[in-house]
Amino acid sequence: AAGVIQSPRHLIKEKRETATLKCYPIPRHDTVYWYQQGPGQDPQFLISFYEKMQSDKGSIPDRFSAQQFSDYHSELNMSSLELGDSALYFCASTMGQKLRSYTFGSGTRLTVV
Amino acid sequence: AQKVTQAQTEISVVEKEDVTLDCVYETRDTTYYLFWYKQPPSGELVFLIRRNSFDEQNEISGRYSWNFQKSTSSFNFTITASQVVDSAVYFCALSEEASSNTGKLIFGQGTTLQVKP
Repeated sequence: AAGVIQSPRHLIKEKRETATLKCYPIPRHDTVYWYQQGPGQDPQFLISFYEKMQSDKGSIPDRFSAQQFSDYHSELNMSSLELGDSALYFCASTMGQKLRSYTFGSGTRLTVV
Repeated sequence: AQKVTQAQTEISVVEKEDVTLDCVYETRDTTYYLFWYKQPPSGELVFLIRRNSFDEQNEISGRYSWNFQKSTSSFNFTITASQVVDSAVYFCALSEEASSNTGKLIFGQGTTLQVKP
């Protein structure tokens, strides 16, 4: 079965650079969620999209932005990277914001040096 | 407000021992979902179980079992006859299914389980 695809799997960036993380949801899933998991921390909700519109927002820094495209994939753009942005970034998708089909991707590990 | 508490930060057991991971949650909604995820050292979140608030039946899946008690707002997870491969961080999570909710999950702090041979 198709899963949630995240790319890249690993990313190394320098401070003040920009990074773009991509998420391809399961086919027919119209809702995407982004989570950030710092070292030794639990995943924290950043932002979500439903039918290409932002549906909810968590503790997402102003330096980060995201969008969902017409094919339902989503991109998380991170600018002016800081060392503290080093984390695992997870994307999850579901259908109609329902929890029954909630599925996580394998994550992108971002390291800022 | 939603909150999930996993009071056990780290647990260490010897292989074949039984171990229970505790999860206590807070929510004002009557309709909600509870999840357990396993995160091995490789980092991915492995789905273990999803339970909605109307289904208080305990569940068993192989060596895994879950005890859901609404009266104490707890959703505990037991591994019977633990194995080294069970070593991981385990997260309990909550999501409310109110009409205003958009499906985000609130995670507990996680419990690191180490199973020694």
